[in-house]
Amino acid sequence: DVKVTQSSRYLVKRTGEKVFLECVQDMDHENMFWYRQDPGLGLRLIYFSYDVKMKEKGDIPEGYSVSREKKERFSLILESASTNQTSMYLCASSARQGGNQPQHFGDGTRLSIL
Amino acid sequence: AQSVTQPDIHITVSEGASLELRCNYSYGATPYLFWYVQSPGQGLQLLLKYFSGDTLVQGIKGFEAEFKRSQSSFNLRKPSVHWSDAAEYFCAVGGSWGKLQFGAGTQVVVTP
Repeated sequence: DVKVTQSSRYLVKRTGEKVFLECVQDMDHENMFWYRQDPGLGLRLIYFSYDVKMKEKGDIPEGYSVSREKKERFSLILESASTNQTSMYLCASSARQGGNQPQHFGDGTRLSIL
Repeated sequence: AQSVTQPDIHITVSEGASLELRCNYSYGATPYLFWYVQSPGQGLQLLLKYFSGDTLVQGIKGFEAEFKRSQSSFNLRKPSVHWSDAAEYFCAVGGSWGKLQFGAGTQVVVTP
């Protein structure tokens, strides 16, 4: 089974801090994704990556950046955290680049910015 | 651009009763369609997927979905729900670069 592991289940940070969310997958997947999930809004794509050192903006990239130095690891960075970034963050991975590949999700990180 | 609509935000169903969750999509070509389930505090788990062929697809946990091109729908069904089916359900359509466009989700509550 595909395993997508997010480093923290719960995280509390303060406004203005630089925050790192880490995600690791063990299936040699090319694609990796970061979403945020808010009630009533479903999942919104922040950034995705289709290869090492490659990244593409999703629907809501403002205030975020990402890093993919190794194929298995995809990091989400909040450069200067703000309270409106309090949310559930989900990482996912999928094989190849076709639209027919399902994404496999981690358990999420619930981030609170105080 | 593709989009997904789940008309029902919240559904309450009795244990043992049947369940149907609606999903409508907008996509120019033959869509790749998915249903995911999210239990409280967890990530999303794939229930089933449709790419082509038989329009009735079977998934895990006793779920099935039917693709109807004429109605642009991909509704999820289960004949008899269990209390453990209480969760949030997301419909998604696949796009370029492996991206998925998700609906807003349907929360399912199961009553005794």
